[in-house]
Parts: sequence; C-alpha cells; structure tokens
Amino acid sequence: NAGVTQTPKFQVLKTGQSMTLQCAQDMNHNSMYWYRQDPGMGLRLIYYSASEGTTDKGEVPNGYNVSRLNKREFSLRLESAAPSQTSVYFCASSEAVGTSGGFNEQFFGPGTRLTVL
Amino acid sequence: AQSVTQLDSQVPVFEEAPVELRCNYSSSVSVYLFWYVQYPNQGLQLLLKYLSGSTLVKGINGFEAEFNKSQTSFHLRKPSVHISDTAEYFCAVSRSGGSNYKLTFGKGTLLTVNP
Repeated sequence: NAGVTQTPKFQVLKTGQSMTLQCAQDMNHNSMYWYRQDPGMGLRLIYYSASEGTTDKGEVPNGYNVSRLNKREFSLRLESAAPSQTSVYFCASSEAVGTSGGFNEQFFGPGTRLTVL
Repeated sequence: AQSVTQLDSQVPVFEEAPVELRCNYSSSVSVYLFWYVQYPNQGLQLLLKYLSGSTLVKGINGFEAEFNKSQTSFHLRKPSVHISDTAEYFCAVSRSGGSNYKLTFGKGTLLTVNP
C-alpha cells in the first residue's frame, strides 16, 4: 500500500516548456487534489476532482490543466511554464463523504519540486 | 467560504519547553478542523482533527488541540517539545457535512526546537 505517489520528484524547466506532473493513489479514494506550496503562502488549491469524471477549479487554476484519467490517477499539466510557477506541488486524495458525520481527511503525496528558469 | 489565520509564522522554543501554535478560523457554517505537520522535505501528515464531540482532541506525538467555538480558535499545544518536533505546522478547515471536499489551509507556522 503505497498511498499517494507523485512523479517526478524534481524537475527543472525553461520558460515556455510544457510538462505533466503525475499522481496516483491506491486507497480507492473518490476525490483527488492538486496544491502548490510557496513560502509564506501555505498550500493553495489549484484544481480538484470530486469524483472520477469531474474536475473543478480551485483557488489558483490559471496556467494549469488537469485530467482525471481514472479513479486512481490525476495529472496536472503546465502548457507553457512561467517562472511564477516555480513551486512545490502536492497531490492529495480523500474519501469524500457527503453524509452527516463524514469528514475529509486528505492524504498527501511527497511532492514535486519544480523550478522554471 | 472559510478562512484560516495562523497568528505566528515562526515559533522558536527550547527543548522540553511547552509550546502553543495559534489558529483562528472564520466560517458562516459548521466546520471540521485539522492540524497537519510537514517535516523538512516531506509531504503533509495529519496530526489531529476535530469533527464533533469533545472539544479537546489528542493527536500523534503528544500533541493536542482545543476547539473553542466562541473564540473561533483551534490552538495546538504540546507540554514538552523535542528536537524532532521541528517542522512546519498547518491549520486547516473544511465545512462539515454536505459536499465537504475542500480544505482551506493557513499559511503555516514554523516550529523550531533548539537544544
């Protein structure tokens, strides 16, 4: 049981290049999330997928796209990287429970450290 | 919408001293509250959570937090810290019940434990 895995761990891009960050979970969770973490800013939600087949924008979606490939996998794509996208990216998953008494414990991957030059 | 304010960006303490990390939240609906810990170069790990019931919740590694609805606070405490507690701590909130998919995080408090 690996939990949430992310690839790659590190990446350096030049401005304008594109790349896809991969995330997979083996906990049979319905919901998955992408966050970015910047110093002094905490974690900010980029996109999330409440369930397979759905995606929605979070707090900072500009410059990113996502794909919920199946229940296990949720990828984040930068089409034309910019220096402002230099950050640490975290993927998370949770069993979204909509009934009373449920809760939203999110389990995080180890992160991808991205530098855009 | 919910928001979280962590009142201290950095908290330096000496080993075996008590510590309190402060968190206040704002919400127009009932909430669930969480504390996450991030050790250097690692992902986030859930430390403890408040869902309902007793307002004093205990978590891993000897940490505890108290939910105070009237003061909209959820402060994290430990009576005696260790060097290994050095990490960044994040308070987070989500609405309770319904479509409680989204967590809103505070900006984090860096706890540094010195020998």
